Amino acid sequence: GAVVSQHPSWVICKSGTSVKIECRSLDFQATTMFWYRQFPKQSLMLMATSNEGSKATYEQGVEKDKFLINHASLTLSTLTVTSAHPEDSSFYICSARDQKGTGIGNTIYFGEGSWLTVV
Amino acid sequence: LAKTTQPISMDSYEGQEVNITCSHNNIATNDYITWYQQFPSQGPRFIIQGYKTKVTNEVASLFIPADRKSSTLSLPRVSLSDTAVYYCLVVPSDSWGKLQFGAGTQVVVTP
Repeated sequence: GAVVSQHPSWVICKSGTSVKIECRSLDFQATTMFWYRQFPKQSLMLMATSNEGSKATYEQGVEKDKFLINHASLTLSTLTVTSAHPEDSSFYICSARDQKGTGIGNTIYFGEGSWLTVV
Repeated sequence: LAKTTQPISMDSYEGQEVNITCSHNNIATNDYITWYQQFPSQGPRFIIQGYKTKVTNEVASLFIPADRKSSTLSLPRVSLSDTAVYYCLVVPSDSWGKLQFGAGTQVVVTP
């Protein structure tokens, strides 16, 4: 079945540096992908919608200059956390819908998630 | 997107049936009720989806009353590996995949 893959699975970076997380749809094309963050013991919070070939759409309260999203191809979206600080430490998850699939919820696929720890 | 409400947590023993009820009073005509499962440090995984009445697959059953303002996910004969967070969402039929997650229900299965 369709798969969404994230890389890296976990990353540790120093405060003030930037880190990039990749999200790939492995066997389907996705003009739209989504980025979520999840703090321990909390639910997923939608951060932004990544649009292929155009600017991302950010949810209210999410700093677009801090969380840079690039969707350069139909199978790849990247999230760059710029000038990372310890409070950015979280679990980041991406998702994409296989528009050619049958059904709705069963055609939305999530990546494995990426743990970011800022020290 | 319609808001959902579900219990924060549920405990069960192995072999029992677990039923999680979700309220979605503002569900729209074109919304589907969708349930996801999430294990720690993993992305959510689709479990089941329905529009009305009853849906059953190899993992669970979903019961939806006629007014569609609530739904119940039924996990038959749970095992320890069913310990996870279960999220109830309503998803428009024309969705591009944008989802708004509620708090979810932490199900803990013990021996």
